[in-house]
Amino acid sequence: SQQGEEDPQALSIQEGENATMNCSYKTSINNLQWYRQNSGRGLVHLILIRSNEREKHSGRLRVTLDTSKKSSSLLITASRAADTASYFCATDGSSNTGKLIFGQGTTLQVKP
Amino acid sequence: DAGVIQSPRHEVTEMGQEVTLRCKPISGHNSLFWYRQTMMRGLELLIYFNNNVPIDDSGMPEDRFSAKMPNASFSTLKIQPSEPRDSAVYFCASSLAGSGGNTIYFGEGSWLTVV
Repeated sequence: SQQGEEDPQALSIQEGENATMNCSYKTSINNLQWYRQNSGRGLVHLILIRSNEREKHSGRLRVTLDTSKKSSSLLITASRAADTASYFCATDGSSNTGKLIFGQGTTLQVKP
Repeated sequence: DAGVIQSPRHEVTEMGQEVTLRCKPISGHNSLFWYRQTMMRGLELLIYFNNNVPIDDSGMPEDRFSAKMPNASFSTLKIQPSEPRDSAVYFCASSLAGSGGNTIYFGEGSWLTVV
């Protein structure tokens, strides 16, 4: 079964609004990552947060991690139409093998 | 850097035919992953290699699927015989394991349709 589960499955917002996506996972982790997938393309790494970190920023992205609740959130501020994509969280299940398990993803539509 | 290169990008084949998907990982990466993506099942890890050695193939659906990595710069995923339910996007990805983050770099995928 998938390690990460995203919520919501789909999100539609207007350009300029903020978008928040959540991810829950089941086992302990070393780190959690977020990836983006544009339609018809491969996944692209966005940001990584380690298990001892609570919050991380990268440009318009803000990621939080709550290991006690086994959950993470991805916030995209001031969204743009170009942010339209699917977003996936991925966890390593505390292994050091490099193996990542992905959630089902959140499909984000940003309307211009 | 050329990134992860996959071929073919698109393939349509008839049920029962053999399908071979190819992947060239990023130079210097020591881990290689094959994922399958479908609407119903999402992104599934099929198999991954570390230093050309298969580490975990528990995600391979059945004996019709096989994967090889004869050297650090090439891997194949073979389906024989193919079935319509194998239709999916197959992604190859690579990473530098042990780099403290294991960021995975994906190819653009091979879109397989079995009719």
